[in-house]
Amino acid sequence: AQSVAQPEDQVNVAEGNPLTVKCTYSVSGNPYLFWYVQYPNRGLQFLLKYITGDNLVKGSYGFEAEFNKSQTSFHLKKPSALVSDSALYFCAVRVRDTGRRALTFGSGTRLQVQP
Amino acid sequence: GAGVSQSPSNKVTEKGKDVELRCDPISGHTALYWYRQRLGQGLEFLIYFQGNSAPDKSGLPSDRFSAERTGESVSTLTIQRTQQEDSAVYLCASSSLVLAGGIFDEQFFGPGTRLTVL
Repeated sequence: AQSVAQPEDQVNVAEGNPLTVKCTYSVSGNPYLFWYVQYPNRGLQFLLKYITGDNLVKGSYGFEAEFNKSQTSFHLKKPSALVSDSALYFCAVRVRDTGRRALTFGSGTRLQVQP
Repeated sequence: GAGVSQSPSNKVTEKGKDVELRCDPISGHTALYWYRQRLGQGLEFLIYFQGNSAPDKSGLPSDRFSAERTGESVSTLTIQRTQQEDSAVYLCASSSLVLAGGIFDEQFFGPGTRLTVL
């Protein structure tokens, strides 16, 4: 079985400060890891993914995430938060090289960036 | 259109009625997924279609739920005898398994159908 944990329901950060949204995962095998963002009344938008290679992955809107195999983590980061980054963020995982391609999602973390 | 579309955007129904939700994936995407998102919760996998292969139905919560897909195009999720606990946003996603010589599984999501069962 595979699972994703996002330990923080909400993260508050001041505009201009760095932000981190935490994600840890559990899979049997090598993971594909994803971050999605959900704005109010809109569908999920893809931010970035880790497939293989460099552990630091850069994605849309200045976000990046670091894959840490030993800690089974894939935390989302941004050096300088914007008020417009306020949204719901989901981490997701699936196992590489299997027929099951559906993603397992975390419960989401609400990011609130204060002006 | 350029993205995944879903209809209706909102559906209010009475307990016990059947509902059909529609998903139009991105043209050329061979894989299609249905997820459910209950209020304040993450996404819950329901069913996955890949080409002509047998669908992965392992996430369907009960036999009241079923889905069909016509070739590599439209999919319909049907919920029979709806219950109040079926109230949720139902999200559809599609993906292309092979892109630019690599294997990618980036899923593109539609805006969802908000189902309310009274």
